Amino acid sequence: SQKIEQNSEALNIQEGKTATLTCNYTNYSPAYLQWYRQDPGRGPVFLLLIRENEKEKRKERLKVTFDTTLKQSLFHITASQPADSATYLCALGAGSSNTGKLIFGQGTTLQVKP
Amino acid sequence: NAGVMQNPRHLVRRRGQEARLRCSPMKGHSHVYWYRQLPEEGLKFMVYLQKENIIDESGMPKERFSAEFPKEGPSILRIQQVVRGDSAAYFCASSPQTGRGTDTQYFGPGTRLTVL
Repeated sequence: SQKIEQNSEALNIQEGKTATLTCNYTNYSPAYLQWYRQDPGRGPVFLLLIRENEKEKRKERLKVTFDTTLKQSLFHITASQPADSATYLCALGAGSSNTGKLIFGQGTTLQVKP
Repeated sequence: NAGVMQNPRHLVRRRGQEARLRCSPMKGHSHVYWYRQLPEEGLKFMVYLQKENIIDESGMPKERFSAEFPKEGPSILRIQQVVRGDSAAYFCASSPQTGRGTDTQYFGPGTRLTVL
């Protein structure tokens, strides 16, 4: 069956360190993958999109990698700050059906301590 | 440019009542998606609509749930005869272009439905 898994445990790191979040999937062939940030009581906010033919994407302190062989994406936040504390969601584009619907992982909660 | 708007933000219903959730997409966006987030679970796709058309409703429960996006006015997600298991946060997202998924989806703040 199709499955998307993110780090189930919350991730606690010290300010200034690099946070690395993992998204693994099985039985999907996504055309692209997106990362969102969600704060408590709010809707998800888009961060980055990476396509299947791209290995890496960067935006300011954020970096995403996409390995379609390993079926894995890694999301990095460098020089982390307490304001980066939130839940981060990975979402797969539904591939061949291409209707635009997103399949979300459960999310990983990141806590950055000062 | 106002973002995606949803109302009400919080909705309380008793079992058996109807719930109507509204979503106004961002200006210029003609594609709307509804997702449901159950407590301690991830977002689950429900339905994708364009103006006056349902494009993909593969995530919608077969009974009691319906959605529309009329030519004029907001998109509506309607839940008839609500049950406790319908308690969740319902999010609407909109996108500007073809809706083929490589377009960023902009999410609203959500409607938190509580069924007593």
